[in-house]
Amino acid sequence: KQEVTQIPAALSVPEGENLVLNCSFTDSAIYNLQWFRQDPGKGLTSLLLIQSSQREQTSGRLNASLDKSSGRSTLYIAASQPGDSATYLCAVRNDNNDMRFGAGTRLTVKP
Amino acid sequence: DGGITQSPKYLFRKEGQNVTLSCEQNLNHDAMYWYRQDPGQGLRLIYYSQIVNDFQKGDIAEGYSVSREKKESFPLTVTSAQKNPTAFYLCASHRTGGKNGYTFGSGTRLTVV
Repeated sequence: KQEVTQIPAALSVPEGENLVLNCSFTDSAIYNLQWFRQDPGKGLTSLLLIQSSQREQTSGRLNASLDKSSGRSTLYIAASQPGDSATYLCAVRNDNNDMRFGAGTRLTVKP
Repeated sequence: DGGITQSPKYLFRKEGQNVTLSCEQNLNHDAMYWYRQDPGQGLRLIYYSQIVNDFQKGDIAEGYSVSREKKESFPLTVTSAQKNPTAFYLCASHRTGGKNGYTFGSGTRLTVV
């Protein structure tokens, strides 16, 4: 059974810093990996989707990488802003019906 | 704009009562899912459906029931058999037949009073 771990559980940084969020998974036979953002009391907003054949995806200040062989993905946020404060969730899809989520990293960006 | 609508946003349930959470999508997605989120934990799958009139149990289906009579709708009923129903419930969908990402609704917070 796929297990997804996100480290750290919480992170606090000053505005302007570049930061990396980590996601690891135990089964490398994945379809894709998706990074989400969740604001308090809200649903999940998709940030980036990386297919199993891809190494990275970029959207604005966000860059996600995927290393299937080592079971790792990172989400890089450049020039962090207070508006980036949220919980970031990593989800790994193994087949058409099974998607496993990490517990998330709660990010606080201080002005 | 296409999306997933969950209602109500907040729901209160008395002991022994069944309640139904609504999930509607206009994305023409085939597959729909219900997840439960508890503080400090990842999302856990309750039920999923890949086509109309068919659905499958997820990891924590006990005390819940679903129906899929229309492609657009996938309501979740929390029955009195669910002993700890207080949680945040999220509905999701995706297009099958490819490696597509998931789209989520805004969630329903259920509280037992």
